[in-house]
Amino acid sequence: GAVVSQHPSWVICKSGTSVKIECRSLDFQATTMFWYRQFPKQSLMLMATSNEGSKATYEQGVEKDKFLINHASLTLSTLTVTSAHPEDSSFYICSAIQGSAEAFFGQGTRLTVV
Amino acid sequence: AQTVTQSQPEMSVQEAETVTLSCTYDTSESNYYLFWYKQPPSRQMILVIRQEAYKQQNATENRFSVNFQKAAKSFSLKISDSQLGDTAMYFCAFRSGSARQLTFGSGTQLTVLP
Repeated sequence: GAVVSQHPSWVICKSGTSVKIECRSLDFQATTMFWYRQFPKQSLMLMATSNEGSKATYEQGVEKDKFLINHASLTLSTLTVTSAHPEDSSFYICSAIQGSAEAFFGQGTRLTVV
Repeated sequence: AQTVTQSQPEMSVQEAETVTLSCTYDTSESNYYLFWYKQPPSRQMILVIRQEAYKQQNATENRFSVNFQKAAKSFSLKISDSQLGDTAMYFCAFRSGSARQLTFGSGTQLTVLP
């Protein structure tokens, strides 16, 4: 299957700082990328959908000013958690699709805000 | 809106035995796709099997097969000859033919016992 690379795998940051997470489709052009948040032993919660060259569509309840998403090319989307606080600590996962094919997932990023 | 329900939070099975994970969904659409994803302790999401709604034949992938009952809106996963490496969280997911995002169930934690 296709490969989606997500970096970093884990990050620890101080409260009030910003953290950027990258999601790259390595061997295909992703028309759409998705960002999820996952709490321990729970399902994936969709945060936003991003299409290359256009603004991301955020799910209800997700603060777009806190979770900045940029999809500048067909192979790269970034999620920036701005002014991070301990409650933003979580596991973040991206996925990418090409056309109507199935989604492929990055390996996830564990964010810890101290 | 579509919903996906997994009523078994946890299950266990002896190595080499067969286990079935349940999933039901609700939709008014006629064109859609169903998936089973596996999330092992590494937390990498891995596609196990997919089923197109228009196909009457149940999908199979080696030891994994589904029982797709369209009228009952049921999509169960059968794992034959269970292996220790099958220990993971399993998510059932739905995607409509007109959309690109996935709707996930709450997951079933499967433990394969030696």
